[in-house]
Order: sequence, then C-alpha cells, then structure tokens
Amino acid sequence: GESVGLHLPTLSVQEGDNSIINCAYSNSASDYFIWYKQESGKGPQFIIDIRSNMDKRQGQRVTVLLNKTVKHLSLQIAATQPGDSAVYFCAENGGSYIPTFGRGTSLIVHP
Amino acid sequence: KAGVTQTPRYLIKTRGQQVTLSCSPISGHRSVSWYQQTPGQGLQFLFEYFSETQRNKGNFPGRFSGRQFSNSRSEMNVSTLELGDSALYLCASSLKLAGADTDTQYFGPGTRLTVL
Repeated sequence: GESVGLHLPTLSVQEGDNSIINCAYSNSASDYFIWYKQESGKGPQFIIDIRSNMDKRQGQRVTVLLNKTVKHLSLQIAATQPGDSAVYFCAENGGSYIPTFGRGTSLIVHP
Repeated sequence: KAGVTQTPRYLIKTRGQQVTLSCSPISGHRSVSWYQQTPGQGLQFLFEYFSETQRNKGNFPGRFSGRQFSNSRSEMNVSTLELGDSALYLCASSLKLAGADTDTQYFGPGTRLTVL
C-alpha cells in the first residue's frame, strides 16, 4: 500500500542551529500534509500543515516545504531550542481520510 | 478549553483478558479517531467515529472495536489480548465541519497498555 517515510531516524543539532527534517511520500493523490511533534510521554502535537496547492507555508519558527514533483516534504525549524527535542512525524491524507503517518525522526538539540 | 483526555493512562493486563479505554474529546469536537503506536510499526490508524457511527476503519482484527456516545466521548475495546497488543493507544479529536476537506486532529496523551 501507500506509505509515508522519513529519511533520517535521528537528527542531532546544536542549540541555535536551524534543523531540517525530511519526509518522503508515495501517494500522488495526497492533498494534505501535517507535521506533528511528540514529546516523551505525550501525544502528538500539531505543528503546521500544508495543502497540495501550496509549496511553502510558514509558522512561528517553522516552515514546511512541499515538493510535489519528487513527493518530498520537509520541516524547517529556525534557531532550534532544547525544547524542540522530540520526535517529529509527517502525515499525509490522500482523500480517503485515513491519515498515514511516517515512522518519525528523533530531533536531539544539544545546549 | 480542555484538551483531549484519555483514561486510564497506564494499564497492565494478561493475555486473554479484555480491556476498555476511554477518550473524551475537546468540547465541540464530533470526530474521534483511535491510533495504535508501537516502536516497530509507528502510528497506525484503528478507526474513526463521528456522530456515534464508525466512519473509517484501519487494518486491525475484529478484536479491536469501539463506540462513540451521544456526548462524543468514545471507548475502544480490545478482547482476547495478545502480547503484541502492548502499545500506546492514542485518541484524537477534530471538529469535522460539514464540507471541510481537511481537518486538524488533536491528540490526547495516550493510554500505555502492557500485556503480560
């Protein structure tokens, strides 16, 4: 079946650096993408979303980029802080409603 | 506004038993979805309820079932527990406005189920 995957399982950065987390998807019919952050002991928390008619969307310190040509999604976190340490999931919705989640990337921010 | 709440937070059961988990969505949210999260399989969709009706179902055996009450609160039940059912079970709620083709889900903290 269709799947969503992540390139890197773990990303380590220094505090203050910019972080980029990548995600590949295979369902060309996907039209809605979401990034979630999950801290230890908590459920996933919505960060930012983007629809397929957009290439870029910005939030507070976060930017999501969508490249439909290569079916690639990325989450950029500016000036990464220790509180950003968490597992980040991308999810896609291909119209069937049932969302498909990536396996997650663990972001470790070193002070 | 209170977030999604799940009870209990932790549960230990033995093989063959059954378990019921509870989820209270954000006030005003009518859709409740359930997910299973394990290190090996990641986050997997179980089912979605809207207005007391199951609208979507993931690829899980019939031992996994759920229901939704008129106040949108939801329960999921797992019968004849197996060791592989040990996981974090997450509930998510959303508004599900009529005509909306996208909808943000808000997750609860989950119930950690351990099957011995």
